[in-house]
Amino acid sequence: EAEVAQSPRYKITEKSQAVAFWCDPISGHATLYWYRQILGQGPELLVQFQDESVVDDSQLPKDRFSAERLKGVDSTLKIQPAELGDSAMYLCASSSGLATYNEQFFGPGTRLTVL
Amino acid sequence: QKEVEQNSGPLSVPEGAIASLNCTYSDRVSQSFFWYRQYSGKSPELIMSIYSNGDKEDGRFTAQLNKASQYVSLLIRDSQPSDSATYLCAVSPPSGTYKYIFGTGTRLKVLA
Repeated sequence: EAEVAQSPRYKITEKSQAVAFWCDPISGHATLYWYRQILGQGPELLVQFQDESVVDDSQLPKDRFSAERLKGVDSTLKIQPAELGDSAMYLCASSSGLATYNEQFFGPGTRLTVL
Repeated sequence: QKEVEQNSGPLSVPEGAIASLNCTYSDRVSQSFFWYRQYSGKSPELIMSIYSNGDKEDGRFTAQLNKASQYVSLLIRDSQPSDSATYLCAVSPPSGTYKYIFGTGTRLKVLA
């Protein structure tokens, strides 16, 4: 069964360090999303790619977060420097394309703890 | 005002009962609606999608959509303890980037 892959599953880091998360979407899915989910809240979109292009990064804290999807397949989300408030679950999702009815499928997520 | 609202719960129902989860949204032009199940510490899993007014059934799950009243609900029949999870409602607009807006989720507890 096709799945979204993410790594690492868990990451513990100290504040001011750099962290990176990787995501491989379902094969053939053109649209890729990075979300942040804080405990007790719904996922919040950080960045959305269509192929290799960013279509929405309005909620991405660009002073410390960056994201890329260079070949339009897998993607990396980076935080530098990490802050205590960045502790959260980072979720990657993919869908087959840009359309209102396209369903998004999530990977297992990366649980980040910043000490 | 929140764009997608859900009662945070917990909603407690006995095993075998019907669980009813509700979601209201503020953007009248919203086009597509999705229900996700999320177990504690896990990622969201898509259960149902619904696009037209009325009911859509899939096994023990029924999604109901009423665009005029701007609400969508999820019914779970014959609830099982394994249904205990947080249920997230997501709403997508008909244009633009089709960005999902998620509610905060309703925590469901099915009591054995």
